[in-house]
Amino acid sequence: KNQVEQSPQSLIILEGKNCTLQCNYTVSPFSNLRWYKQDTGRGPVSLTIMTFSENTKSNGRYTATLDADTKQSSLHITASQLSDSASYICVVILGEGGSYIPTFGRGTSLIVHP
Amino acid sequence: DAGITQSPRHKVTETGTPVTLRCHQTENHRYMYWYRQDPGHGLRLIHYSYGVKDTDKGEVSDGYSVSRSKTEDFLLTLESATSSQTSVYFCAISDFSTGGSYNEQFFGPGTRLTVL
Repeated sequence: KNQVEQSPQSLIILEGKNCTLQCNYTVSPFSNLRWYKQDTGRGPVSLTIMTFSENTKSNGRYTATLDADTKQSSLHITASQLSDSASYICVVILGEGGSYIPTFGRGTSLIVHP
Repeated sequence: DAGITQSPRHKVTETGTPVTLRCHQTENHRYMYWYRQDPGHGLRLIHYSYGVKDTDKGEVSDGYSVSRSKTEDFLLTLESATSSQTSVYFCAISDFSTGGSYNEQFFGPGTRLTVL
């Protein structure tokens, strides 16, 4: 079964610190991998999208990396801010016959304290 | 929220009643999706549509039906609501990105449904 596992499940850091979130997947064949940020009570918002040929993608203070060989991705947040408190979701897209089948991780809940 | 609205935003209903949730988009995107989100689970795909009158089942489609008679509207119906369908429901849209083969996906604000 195609799966996406995220770690840690939750994380608390101090404002200004960096952190790294992990995503391991077994989805195959692989089309692309996305990281979303979901604020409480809101829908997810896309942070990065990477195809299998890309190994890094940045969006401001967010940098995602991808190792398609080991099927691992990480999301690094630099100089965290209070507004970074949210759930971060890794999504892997199955690439098969032009269809779009997403597999979502359960998310990492990040809390940034002042 | 990228021109996506969901209605209602909150609903409380009783077991056994039919419920219809509406997703409306103004982006003219081809693909539309319904997900549910529950504690301890990732977002799970219920149904999706790849065009008017073209729909397919997702991972957790039992007890749900959908219809898409216009590009802009995607309806999710719970034919006879059960307590296990208490959840937050998200609609999403996507289309092929320019010059690429993958689809940026945009989510609506969600509908919180409680079935008593």
